[in-house]
Amino acid sequence: QQPVQSPQAVILREGEDAVINCSSSKALYSVHWYRQKHGEAPVFLMILLKGGEQKGHDKISASFNEKKQQSSLYLTASQLSYSGTYFCGTEQSNAGNMLTFGGGTRLMVKP
Amino acid sequence: GAVVSQHPSWVICKSGTSVKIECRSLDFQATTMFWYRQFPKQSLMLMATSNEGSKATYEQGVEKDKFLINHASLTLSTLTVTSAHPEDSSFYICSARADVYNSPLHFGNGTRLTVT
Repeated sequence: QQPVQSPQAVILREGEDAVINCSSSKALYSVHWYRQKHGEAPVFLMILLKGGEQKGHDKISASFNEKKQQSSLYLTASQLSYSGTYFCGTEQSNAGNMLTFGGGTRLMVKP
Repeated sequence: GAVVSQHPSWVICKSGTSVKIECRSLDFQATTMFWYRQFPKQSLMLMATSNEGSKATYEQGVEKDKFLINHASLTLSTLTVTSAHPEDSSFYICSARADVYNSPLHFGNGTRLTVT
């Protein structure tokens, strides 16, 4: 079953912060986050594993609350290059199989 | 980092012809590769899971006789769209994971198929 992402779209000014949420109705083993720019393939951002992981890189971080079956992606002091569609992908076991992707969140950062 | 190469980047073909798309993992082995389809402004929809040395596993609603998948080696999977029709026009993306626990999914650059 497809995870639910919110919001569906967000417009920011450069330097503003944003939070993107990903919720599942099923127990999760891991959550993956990807960013896709128009006409390009998704690019891997980070993976969070069950156990309550939080991690980040530069000004993008994420958390995973396995009890709530939710993950959030935090974009701090957004840059123009952050624009794109963000997808979360979830998996229910560590079998190394397919990810089920959410509907995506379109983020636009304006100068 | 892990690289997945997908060719061609785009293809325009006439209705009724077949199109082959290649997906290669360049610096890692992938027992399993995945083929996704994406319509404009929509999410990635899994079409099939490609397994090296065995038959692909297709998602419900995906015609296996129309979308032929061959995973001939640990680094190459191909998707052939047979007897393509305009409704098959879409963005097709392959992806692969290294045969390591908790490895991320790496995507090819996608193939834009237009059937006229």
